Amino acid sequence: DIEMTQSPSSLSASVGDRVTITCRASQDISNALAWYQQIPGKAPRLLLFSASRLGDGVPSRFSGSGSGTDYTLTISSLQREDFATYYCQHYYILPGFGQGTRLEIK
Amino acid sequence: QVTLRESGPVLMKPTETLTLTCTVSGFSLTNPRLGVSWIRQPPGKALEWLGNIFSNDVKSYSTSLKNRLTISKDTSRSQVFLSMTNMDPVDTATFFCARIRPVSLGGNGYNWLEDYWGQGILVTVSS
Repeated sequence: DIEMTQSPSSLSASVGDRVTITCRASQDISNALAWYQQIPGKAPRLLLFSASRLGDGVPSRFSGSGSGTDYTLTISSLQREDFATYYCQHYYILPGFGQGTRLEIK
Repeated sequence: QVTLRESGPVLMKPTETLTLTCTVSGFSLTNPRLGVSWIRQPPGKALEWLGNIFSNDVKSYSTSLKNRLTISKDTSRSQVFLSMTNMDPVDTATFFCARIRPVSLGGNGYNWLEDYWGQGILVTVSS
């Protein structure tokens, strides 16, 4: 199985900050990479897929990049509603998720 | 409007078999370009993919749990089922179902992405 290593596990930031979360796959996943946002008690929301394509209705302050085994999620200017937990997921073969990054208000 | 809703028991005893139902609307389980996945999340922990099923009844399962899982569907009722045997307290989790759709891998074909999720159901295993 492909392992996904996500970092950092937690992050403190302020409204307006730019933040980056990284995800590394144990093998090349050919950009089959999605990012989800999860607010406590809610279902995950699809933010990006194919490493860099925005999901429906997702604000443009969210962006993704990467290739091969290394991928990043960037939030250009944090808004209050962005404080949540973020997961990367590969869907290259049998899907797998990273361990999550909890984004907290500083 | 695509919606998915999980239902089933919220409390289980060890060794019992869990059966959950995912009722979908806004799309058809007969659509060859769509399917349904199951994912679980223990309290305070990460998401774990369990398996999926497609319109042609092809299924895939998590390598680590495949001996305990069965996914099936009733197309006429727009329902997908997850069965997990020999439940244990460590299996306490919120279980989600999600719609999956194909996403191109460029020149390498396509694979399947979870796009719409249900709200989830918390299943607690305790004696």
